[in-house]
Amino acid sequence: QVTLKESGPGILQPSQTLSLTCSFSGFLLSASSVGVGWIRQPSGKGLEWLATIGWKDVKHYNPSLKSRLTISKDTSNNQVFLKITSVDTADTGTYYCAHSDPGYNYFDYWGQGVMVTVSS
Amino acid sequence: DTVLTQSPALTVSPGERVTISCRASESVSTLMHWYQQKPGQQPTLLIYLASNLESGVPARFSGSGSGTDFTLTIDPVEADDTATYYCQQSWNDPWTFGGGTKLELK
Repeated sequence: QVTLKESGPGILQPSQTLSLTCSFSGFLLSASSVGVGWIRQPSGKGLEWLATIGWKDVKHYNPSLKSRLTISKDTSNNQVFLKITSVDTADTGTYYCAHSDPGYNYFDYWGQGVMVTVSS
Repeated sequence: DTVLTQSPALTVSPGERVTISCRASESVSTLMHWYQQKPGQQPTLLIYLASNLESGVPARFSGSGSGTDFTLTIDPVEADDTATYYCQQSWNDPWTFGGGTKLELK
């Protein structure tokens, strides 16, 4: 059974760095044809794909945010991380991690999401 | 970026057939996927690669289309289908989502 769970700071101030963790089970990121992505959703709004990391450590970023994003993984502990630098209020929302098929890049298992608020 | 356009909302009666459309600003081949998101929950995958039903999803859901025009069909619609439905393309970088169609039942 595939499960994913996000964790994060809850609230942070503008200009700080947001650090998110995705802890997963039921699959191995060292296995072939596996990826984990991050998607966010401002409250009451739509979905935005941020980044995906694959089993070969291949990283793929949304170009509009690439300069601020870093995705990484800890295969031994079944975790994927996302850092977003220089946050502002526009980064407020729910952040999801999701298991993806790295060949076709759809998201077949999602975590419950973690709410992040950027406020001074 | 590839823009995916969806109608904002639909209202239907239980038992009816409903089609939800998604139009892409450029071709996405068949790399179009559909998700359902109920209030307060994470999205769940319904259809991948335009027409493939995800395991465990009721056969009332189906998808069709290629290129720039895609459709998600629910037939018949049930009360539990009240949700927002999103399309997502993965042919053009970056992967993008539609704005969502909120489905309400009478």
